[in-house]
Amino acid sequence: DTGVSQDPRHKITKRGQNVTFRCDPISEHNRLYWYRQTLGQGPEFLTYFQNEAQLEKSRLLSDRFSAERPKGSFSTLEIQRTEQGDSAMYLCASGPDVYEQYFGPGTRLTVT
Amino acid sequence: AQKVTQAQTEISVVEKEDVTLDCVYETRDTTYYLFWYKQPPSGELVFLIRRNSFDEQNEISGRYSWNFQKSTSSFNFTITASQVVDSAVYFCALSEKEDSGYALNFGKGTSLLVTP
Repeated sequence: DTGVSQDPRHKITKRGQNVTFRCDPISEHNRLYWYRQTLGQGPEFLTYFQNEAQLEKSRLLSDRFSAERPKGSFSTLEIQRTEQGDSAMYLCASGPDVYEQYFGPGTRLTVT
Repeated sequence: AQKVTQAQTEISVVEKEDVTLDCVYETRDTTYYLFWYKQPPSGELVFLIRRNSFDEQNEISGRYSWNFQKSTSSFNFTITASQVVDSAVYFCALSEKEDSGYALNFGKGTSLLVTP
């Protein structure tokens, strides 16, 4: 299966710790998106990349959030100094163009 | 402001009933795309359909059909002869040319429960 993969699937961390999530897109997809989904809500857009360029990051929730896609392949999303409000599902999606986005299984973060 | 409104939070039907999920969107762009995704209990979002703003032709795929009406800014989704496996949360989403590289703006979702 060559779908979008995300690692880890679940992460439990204590408040104040840093966490990093990884997303491996479908190969040859040059667009990669990160979303956050809280309970009972639809996914909320955070940031996106075209190849290695991060073209939109104003929607990242705070300066504690950052993302990278160093070689235009996999991407990482880091949250520094986690807070309980950061508990959510973090979703990655990739697409070959602007018309399609295929989602990964997500990383569920729990901040205690 | 919410760009996509799914007014129905939860719907419960009995198997074999038809059910329509409503979606109303708001945009000033002339070029935009509308989507429906399914999120089963396993959590992974599954793409169902994409329509662009220049194509109002309705679409049918098996038991699924979609009605796109620009005049009312609606993109409704109908499941005919529902089945238990249709139980999931369904999201309508909008992507616009002028917004963050066509990032998806999702509604809050409609939770569909189909009982035997």
